[in-house]
Amino acid sequence: GAGVSQTPSNKVTEKGKYVELRCDPISGHTALYWYRQSLGQGPEFLIYFQGTGAADDSGLPNDRFFAVRPEGSVSTLKIQRTERGDSAVYLCASSPLDGQNTEAFFGQGTRLTVV
Amino acid sequence: QKEVEQNSGPLSVPEGAIASLNCTYSDRGSQSFFWYRQYSGKSPELIMSIYSNGDKEDGRFTAQLNKASQYVSLLIRDSQPSDSATYLCAADTGRRALTFGSGTRLQVQP
Repeated sequence: GAGVSQTPSNKVTEKGKYVELRCDPISGHTALYWYRQSLGQGPEFLIYFQGTGAADDSGLPNDRFFAVRPEGSVSTLKIQRTERGDSAVYLCASSPLDGQNTEAFFGQGTRLTVV
Repeated sequence: QKEVEQNSGPLSVPEGAIASLNCTYSDRGSQSFFWYRQYSGKSPELIMSIYSNGDKEDGRFTAQLNKASQYVSLLIRDSQPSDSATYLCAADTGRRALTFGSGTRLQVQP
């Protein structure tokens, strides 16, 4: 596709449930990032994939959060035992990581609401 | 201290004026800097990147970087009401993932 695609665009779930958020990056982009954005704040880094492997997962808040990118393209962010504090917009971005160029392009986000 | 700091605003400028948005960063190892525009309810949109000290111009936008002062700015010339948005400053501290400021809300008054 032309841009980063995220599904679903909105997700409402009950506290304690499991959710999966999907990201389809720009074709050919080797780097994929997940961020979380709360109202009035900038995006907060969660995890970065280079190819299939998680190059940096230092932003994941706890072990309820996990992400995979098994074939080096589509990624899924998985949240177990959701809590109301997990409510936020989850943003995915991809980058070609061409030399010094680390420009990242965002998808439209998934708004997660935990009730 | 946050790694990337921005004044939250709002910064209000009249239509046609120059809007000046500022950002400071704390990690001297930061290599690359980016400005994103975010309309309410939308995702961030990349508008400028800058890697070297000095100015970089693209249309009505000029990004300025001063690594000695750890300072990045964005100038928007001939501001339009459609420029009203939150502007996010981001830095790559060398780990290839971006650290964002909280954003500055810009209001361009017709």
